[in-house]
Amino acid sequence: DAMVIQNPRYQVTQFGKPVTLSCSQTLNHNVMYWYQQKSSQAPKLLFHYYDKDFNNEADTPDNFQSRRPNTSFCFLDIRSPGLGDAAMYLCATSRARVSSYNEQFFGPGTRLTVL
Amino acid sequence: AQSVTQLDSHVSVSEGTPVLLRCNYSSSYSPSLFWYVQHPNKGLQLLLKYTSAATLVKGINGFEAEFKKSETSFHLTKPSAHMSDAAEYFCVVRMDSSYKLIFGSGTRLLVRP
Repeated sequence: DAMVIQNPRYQVTQFGKPVTLSCSQTLNHNVMYWYQQKSSQAPKLLFHYYDKDFNNEADTPDNFQSRRPNTSFCFLDIRSPGLGDAAMYLCATSRARVSSYNEQFFGPGTRLTVL
Repeated sequence: AQSVTQLDSHVSVSEGTPVLLRCNYSSSYSPSLFWYVQHPNKGLQLLLKYTSAATLVKGINGFEAEFKKSETSFHLTKPSAHMSDAAEYFCVVRMDSSYKLIFGSGTRLLVRP
């Protein structure tokens, strides 16, 4: 089945130690998104890639970076995790960005714990 | 500006009774509207979507929602709750001219045996 895969499902890191979260998709979608979801809150968009074009949200901290080496994979890098970065990180994809075809498909998420 | 209001943070029903999760939106133009469900420690799953076709939208797992432009509402219903329906539900709006999803604050559905 075509899907969005996130690895690992659970990640523990230490305060200030860089961490990378991974997302892959078999949907061949053009757009990939990263969201941060804190406990009992709605997801918050961090950034997205439209093909190779990176689009950062205005309020995303510089501590968060992303890479998309090819259509299938997208990575979220947190350069120096703080305690406030503990959250569920959701990856999503869509076929297009602005049209009726930009229904977003979500992965299962990676829960990040910062010690 | 677009916004979404989910009127109940928690809804509790008995198994086998109807479910109603309320959502109102604010939008200058005709929006696309979605309901997503999130089970604990899982990603979001699309239940249904409205994209200016039929106002009554049927989704997965017996859920449906009705788009009422005059009331700016998109309430989610199910005739008979199942224990497996217990989860967080998000009402989401998107403008066709934008990639951004505007999420409501979520409604946690509890299903009592």
